[in-house]
Amino acid sequence: DQQVKQNSPSLSVQEGRISILNCDYTNSMFDYFLWYKKYPAEGPTFLISISSIKDKNEDGRFTVFLNKSAKHLSLHIVPSQPGDSAVYFCAANTGTASKLTFGTGTRLQVTL
Amino acid sequence: DTGVSQDPRHKITKRGQNVTFRCDPISEHNRLYWYRQTLGQGPEFLTYFQNEAQLEKSRLLSDRFSAERPKGSFSTLEIQRTEQGDSAMYLCASSRNRAYQETQYFGPGTRLLVL
Repeated sequence: DQQVKQNSPSLSVQEGRISILNCDYTNSMFDYFLWYKKYPAEGPTFLISISSIKDKNEDGRFTVFLNKSAKHLSLHIVPSQPGDSAVYFCAANTGTASKLTFGTGTRLQVTL
Repeated sequence: DTGVSQDPRHKITKRGQNVTFRCDPISEHNRLYWYRQTLGQGPEFLTYFQNEAQLEKSRLLSDRFSAERPKGSFSTLEIQRTEQGDSAMYLCASSRNRAYQETQYFGPGTRLLVL
């Protein structure tokens, strides 16, 4: 039972354009959502998070949008840079619970 | 803040051998988590500690797996009688002891290959 889904395994975007990575979830108890970036042979690096009481959170080039009614969130990266090329994971938990539930990841390739 | 560290970074072993991995969390973090990641999947939760107490274990954690955090600082994850299906990246994460919506920070992982 995949409670967090990232349906696009890969995405290619030109440098300077916007990258939009999507994530859907099925567990309505999830109320905290995080995005991590992962380079090969490294651990996931925390990027940005959002609480279910908000619908948007912004940090520099990264913005996360949450649509609770659709159980959908997205990560926007503007402008995209070659160093953003990595696998991006969406994760969620139920606030007071401790374990994170991850999606399967989306590989972003930012081309010159 | 030196981040979460894990040792070793890579381990190759033969089926049936025991292996042990170590994780050192960020110094002021008293929650510590273990995850496993296989190819093409996201990390999957294995277990977590608050201080020295192991508070939750996943059903993924078979009886061949044991984790400890004896003094509430570093943690070890041992796999006994390894099987080829144990080949994966083992990730450790730590967080502060906030009651709500804590962010977990990950180490570089230990990549295990069982031959």
